[in-house]
Formats: sequence, C-alpha cells, structure tokens
Amino acid sequence: NAGVTQTPKFQVLKTGQSMTLQCAQDMNHEYMSWYRQDPGMGLRLIHYSVGAGITDQGEVPNGYNVSRSTTEDFPLRLLSAAPSQTSVYFCASSRQGGSRGYTFGSGTRLTVV
Amino acid sequence: SQQGEEDPQALSIQEGENATMNCSYKTSINNLQWYRQNSGRGLVHLILIRSNEREKHSGRLRVTLDTSKKSSSLLITASRAADTASYFCATEGDSGYSTLTFGKGTMLLVSP
Repeated sequence: NAGVTQTPKFQVLKTGQSMTLQCAQDMNHEYMSWYRQDPGMGLRLIHYSVGAGITDQGEVPNGYNVSRSTTEDFPLRLLSAAPSQTSVYFCASSRQGGSRGYTFGSGTRLTVV
Repeated sequence: SQQGEEDPQALSIQEGENATMNCSYKTSINNLQWYRQNSGRGLVHLILIRSNEREKHSGRLRVTLDTSKKSSSLLITASRAADTASYFCATEGDSGYSTLTFGKGTMLLVSP
C-alpha cells in the first residue's frame, strides 16, 4: 500500500546511545518532515526537507540530524539520546502545493532510560 | 512555539449530536488543515482550506476560515462513536517552504 513507512514502531534506548529512525514514502512526494509528539504539546517540527539534498531545521532540532539522499527516504538520527527525547516521532510527506495535506506514518514510540 | 490553539481542549457529546471545534492562529497563512488522530495512531488528513476560501465541506465535515480573526472552526455533523479521536488544526505559512505548525488538539469523545 502506498504511504509513509516508519521503523521501528517501538524502541528503548539508554542515555547516550545513538540510533536512526527510518522513514520511507513511495508517493514521490517532494516534502518530508519529522515531528515529535509529547503529551499536551501537540506536534512540534524537528527537521524538514523540500527535496533530495535539501534539509532545514524546525522548531526543536537540537540533538537530531537528518539527511535526504533520495526522494523516498528521510532518516532521523539521534546523536546521543537523552531522557528528554522520550516521545512519539512521526514522519510525514506531502506533494508541493498539494491540496491533500500531509500523509503521516504510524509513528515510532521512543523511550530513553 | 505553537501556532494554533484549539478550543475546547476536550469535548464530550452523544451520538447524533454535532461537534464544533475552534482553532486560532497567530501569523499569515497559505492554508489551514485539520487532522484526526485515533489513540496511539498516526494523524489522518481531513480537510484543507486555503487562505482565500471561507468555507469548505467534505461529507459530514464543514470547515470555516476567517483570516481577519485568524480563526477556523471544524463542525462534525451527526457524530458517531467512531468519530472519537483527537482533532488538530495545522497551519501552513505563506513565507515559502511547506511546513505545518500544529495546535495542541481537541479530544472528542462521542458516546453511544
């Protein structure tokens, strides 16, 4: 099925560990974004990309890196995990100028202990 | 910081009733979007209204936009238990790249 695929669905990390959250879409969307969702906070933008090779920071980029080498993939890297990064992470994609909004993945629930 | 603020934070109604949620935002926008999130799931896009539109319908959904007041409302008519979810408004700015800024959401509970 077409859509946004996120892996893993669940992850527990120890403080200081690093990991990569994977995101892939098969809709040929130009725009991709990473959000984190914390209780009572809504969704906050971490990083986004408007095309292969182009990325930029969102509202809460510290502690995270991204790259976009292909249109399909947009991985999010946690450099040195901290308990404050415990959250649910969503990847989303959209067509430029599209009227159908963003398509979201099902999320990765990350716990840092 | 959050762009949108939904009101109310929580809403409880009976099946068959209408549900109205409001959203206010702070800066100029290109469009405003509404999303639904069922518990533990990803967000699903419901409807998009552009800054030059005032009202839009999609099935049982009706969205209004008042750019002079920087506010929007989402009306769900004849609510069903399956409409129980959190609803978020999100704005896309008019300054270039397409990113969404979300509000904190309204939690809707529809009781049978």
